[in-house]
Amino acid sequence: AQSVSQHNHHVILSEAASLELGCNYSYGGTVNLFWYVQYPGQHLQLLLKYFSGDPLVKGIKGFEAEFIKSKFSFNLRKPSVQWSDTAEYFCAVNNNAGNMLTFGGGTRLMVKP
Amino acid sequence: KAGVTQTPRYLIKTRGQQVTLSCSPISGHRSVSWYQQTPGQGLQFLFEYFSETQRNKGNFPGRFSGRQFSNSRSEMNVSTLELGDSALYLCASSLNRGQGDGYTFGSGTRLTVV
Repeated sequence: AQSVSQHNHHVILSEAASLELGCNYSYGGTVNLFWYVQYPGQHLQLLLKYFSGDPLVKGIKGFEAEFIKSKFSFNLRKPSVQWSDTAEYFCAVNNNAGNMLTFGGGTRLMVKP
Repeated sequence: KAGVTQTPRYLIKTRGQQVTLSCSPISGHRSVSWYQQTPGQGLQFLFEYFSETQRNKGNFPGRFSGRQFSNSRSEMNVSTLELGDSALYLCASSLNRGQGDGYTFGSGTRLTVV
């Protein structure tokens, strides 16, 4: 069975600080990888996804993630966070066999103005 | 285009009752998945429907069931509600199954069992 770990449960940053959220997964086969964001009171929104090709993926709102296959990681980065980035971030994975997403436990990011 | 629509947005039920939640996917999307979100367990996969057939099922008891109609709309049902079923139930739709399709989530139905 596949699993996803997000090691940082809570992160507090000041505006303009750089962000890196860790995500590791366990699955031996080919996977598709996703980062979703959930702003307070809102639904899950897709930030970016990786299916194949360039392991450095750029998403919306200045976010990017790098797939490192040897480390089973898909860390999310942003060079300079804004107060509006305050939200909960979820890493998710699915394999090619099905349409089921396995989510990590989420990371709550608070950006102080 | 309209997003994924879930109804109702909020629901309060009593233990032992049953509940039906509805999900209308994005027009043209044929796959609908359901997830349960709780503070303790996070986001957990319930089941997926495609072409009116259940294709995948998560590790939930048989009290949780669902179905999909020919227009791709989906319903999930929970019978004999327990306090622990209180959660945000999310529906996600995708164009087809498998690689290459993104998942769009609805705003969810918040179920409270008292």
